[in-house]
Amino acid sequence: AQTVTQSQPEMSVQEAETVTLSCTYDTSESDYYLFWYKQPPSRQMILVIRQEAYKQQNATENRFSVNFQKAAKSFSLKISDSQLGDAAMYFCAYRSAYSGGGADGLTFGKGTHLIIQP
Amino acid sequence: SQTIHQWPATLVQPVGSPLSLECTVEGTSNPNLYWYRQAAGRGLQLLFYSVGIGQISSEVPQNLSASRPQDRQFILSSKKLLLSDSGFYLCAWSVPGLNTEAFFGQGTRLTVV
Repeated sequence: AQTVTQSQPEMSVQEAETVTLSCTYDTSESDYYLFWYKQPPSRQMILVIRQEAYKQQNATENRFSVNFQKAAKSFSLKISDSQLGDAAMYFCAYRSAYSGGGADGLTFGKGTHLIIQP
Repeated sequence: SQTIHQWPATLVQPVGSPLSLECTVEGTSNPNLYWYRQAAGRGLQLLFYSVGIGQISSEVPQNLSASRPQDRQFILSSKKLLLSDSGFYLCAWSVPGLNTEAFFGQGTRLTVV
């Protein structure tokens, strides 16, 4: 079974600075998807960014980018120009590409609580 | 566009009482549907998933059950709640046939007292 590990329970960054959240995963599969979700105080899970394992290019969405290291099974999230609205729990998640059309859901890490200091 | 609705937002129930949480998806057909639970300070744990009407797969043996009476309706139930059932419950959907992201509802905070 796949596992996702987020080793930083909490991170703090000054507003406008850059922060990197870490995620490692364990899998024997070669094709899969990785995601970062944001959970603000409202508790709704919001997709931040997606990476497909067969793509070598790191995904980018505005101020959010990832550093995907497939051999190291590492998938970190970089937030540039941090804003107060970025304060939230961030979850890393894994999905196999072989699981019958996505039927069996995502595997999540335990999350990193990101604090933005004004 | 697709939307997902989940209710109620909060619920306080006594031990031993029944539970029914409902989730509906609009704007798509035959979605994959999921129920997740998030305990305090923990990540999300997949409880049930469904690929079609009446088709339910359980990931974790527990006091809960799920049903899918209609294509875009997913219900989480319990006959008798336990204190350990307290948590934050999230419904989600994904596009069938694609192993891509899931889209989440706003969640239900359940407190069993």
